[in-house]
Amino acid sequence: AQKITQTQPGMFVQEKEAVTLDCTYDTSDPSYGLFWYKQPSSGEMIFLIYQGSYDQQNATEGRYSLNFQKARKSANLVISASQLGDSAMYFCAMREGGTEYGNKLVFGAGTILRVKS
Amino acid sequence: NAGVMQNPRHLVRRRGQEARLRCSPMKGHSHVYWYRQLPEEGLKFMVYLQKENIIDESGMPKERFSAEFPKEGPSILRIQQVVRGDSAAYFCASSTDRINQPQHFGDGTRLSIL
Repeated sequence: AQKITQTQPGMFVQEKEAVTLDCTYDTSDPSYGLFWYKQPSSGEMIFLIYQGSYDQQNATEGRYSLNFQKARKSANLVISASQLGDSAMYFCAMREGGTEYGNKLVFGAGTILRVKS
Repeated sequence: NAGVMQNPRHLVRRRGQEARLRCSPMKGHSHVYWYRQLPEEGLKFMVYLQKENIIDESGMPKERFSAEFPKEGPSILRIQQVVRGDSAAYFCASSTDRINQPQHFGDGTRLSIL
């Protein structure tokens, strides 16, 4: 079974509008972390935002926010006021378990976001 | 540059040759992870190392691939007798030993096999 599912292969958004990128996850471990990374066409991986399973509030980092719905096992990324530079591939990733497992990540297949001017 | 440093950025090898990919973690990071990204796919975990120890190599192919993180120097991912299917982007990431801290990635090494 897929641990991380990103159901949107590609998304378009108009510049200055908000967009939501979907991510659902599957784990039976009560301790886990969810991450979003951005991969522009140049190829590097850029960390955007993190949500821990025990965090009471949704994470926010500038224009990025994470809509964390624990019961539904979803961790959607919301980008507000989209900019042309937001065009990239976006990956959702999960870390399971305690420190004995380290922080290895399981990645989803990604969503390509294109921002239109 | 205090980030994760990977080299080379691009590497071309012929079938049967060896490929060595290097990764220097961020300052203060003691955990190193290697991931592979095939074209049009997400990243797949390969191996997790701490200094002089392999902690988890569950994602490593059983043959031809090895990794090390010596006491001194960078982490090395070594692929022996490369085949066309090894063509991919290989990313190294590092983190502290604190749980729930993000991994910071290097820019990757693009390996092409002729």
